[in-house]
Amino acid sequence: KNEVEQSPQNLTAQEGEFITINCSYSVGISALHWLQQHPGGGIVSLFMLSSGKKKHGRLIATINIQEKHSSLHITASHPRDSAVYICAVSLPADPGTGNQFYFGTGTSLTVIP
Amino acid sequence: EAGVAQSPRYKIIEKRQSVAFWCNPISGHATLYWYQQILGQGPKLLIQFQNNGVVDDSQLPKDRFSAERLKGVDSTLKIQPAKLEDSAVYLCASSHGLNTEAFFGQGTRLTVV
Repeated sequence: KNEVEQSPQNLTAQEGEFITINCSYSVGISALHWLQQHPGGGIVSLFMLSSGKKKHGRLIATINIQEKHSSLHITASHPRDSAVYICAVSLPADPGTGNQFYFGTGTSLTVIP
Repeated sequence: EAGVAQSPRYKIIEKRQSVAFWCNPISGHATLYWYQQILGQGPKLLIQFQNNGVVDDSQLPKDRFSAERLKGVDSTLKIQPAKLEDSAVYLCASSHGLNTEAFFGQGTRLTVV
């Protein structure tokens, strides 16, 4: 069993739709990260959160520490949002080791015009 | 600030050949990570450095993979000899310290034929 589970694996939406991607984890974490990966491989960090909710433009990320669950929402989706969205968690670390990360397998989002 | 730099962006080699990837992390970032991402999967940690010391290399196939970060700044990852199953995107990431974001490079897409 993976430490980080995402759903759905694949998602197709019409432009303008509200999108939700879910992430559940099974380990104690120091933070949860939402990442975006476009074709070609590069990864961009969207959010890092350890409690509550963060918003950036049309993106909203929430986390429930007690339930070990996070959601990424995209409002008014656009074809340029098409990418793979990856949930990752960072584990509490010692000063001499740095953080360890566990990654979900990603949600492939396609937004159709 | 400048991001994580990786080179080359793409590499095609024949099986049993050798290949090396280079990564220059963000200035001042003590932690450097090398990940292997096979198509359709989340990134898998190969090796984690804290400055020039290895923190975790438990998933590095040491019979063929090696990595170094001699001066605690840039790093190289080598595969010798390559196998078909090594075809993947190799991602380098760095982070400043504890409980901070990891910043990713654009990745090197390796194809072994």
